[in-house]
Amino acid sequence: AQKVTQAQTEISVVEKEDVTLDCVYETRDTTYYLFWYKQPPSGELVFLIRRNSFDEQNEISGRYSWNFQKSTSSFNFTITASQVVDSAVYFCALKRESTSYGKLTFGQGTILTVHP
Amino acid sequence: NAGVTQTPKFRVLKTGQSMTLLCAQDMNHEYMYWYRQDPGMGLRLIHYSVGEGTTAKGEVPDGYNVSRLKKQNFLLGLESAAPSQTSVYFCASSYSMGSSYEQYFGPGTRLTVT
Repeated sequence: AQKVTQAQTEISVVEKEDVTLDCVYETRDTTYYLFWYKQPPSGELVFLIRRNSFDEQNEISGRYSWNFQKSTSSFNFTITASQVVDSAVYFCALKRESTSYGKLTFGQGTILTVHP
Repeated sequence: NAGVTQTPKFRVLKTGQSMTLLCAQDMNHEYMYWYRQDPGMGLRLIHYSVGEGTTAKGEVPDGYNVSRLKKQNFLLGLESAAPSQTSVYFCASSYSMGSSYEQYFGPGTRLTVT
């Protein structure tokens, strides 16, 4: 069975602080994909990043960076110099490399509030 | 390019009433999904479709039915709504079930069953 755990239910920071959102996953598959989605107050889910299980290189995109560590089954997301517009619910998700169907297993989500 | 759209955006139902949620995508995606989002539980898959005319059960299918008569549309039906179905419903689509293709989500439908 697959599972994604986002242990931080809510995080509150002040603008310009750095913040890391944790994601730990469980799977028996050797090939899988990890995703992060952002859900701003408007409600839609916005795709942020996809990482496959064979690519452990960290990725940076502007103020966003992702640290994938297979040894600890973690795929953490860091926002540098946070801004009020970063306030949202962030979801980590796991997807199997499977021919059955492309089910995304989501974590519970982390509510990030960035105060001015 | 509208992407994935959902109709309606909000709905209030009384227990026992029925309704259909419509999802439409204009990206020519083969695969479509219906999720529900509940506080503290992330998103859970209700039903999915791998192509026109085919549907299958997901993680929490009870109380819902779906149909995919046209490739671009995926309908989610509640035959007899229950308060436990109060939730936010998201439709998603993807080009392939291959895991490298991310799912694109609609804006969601907030359903309240009283």
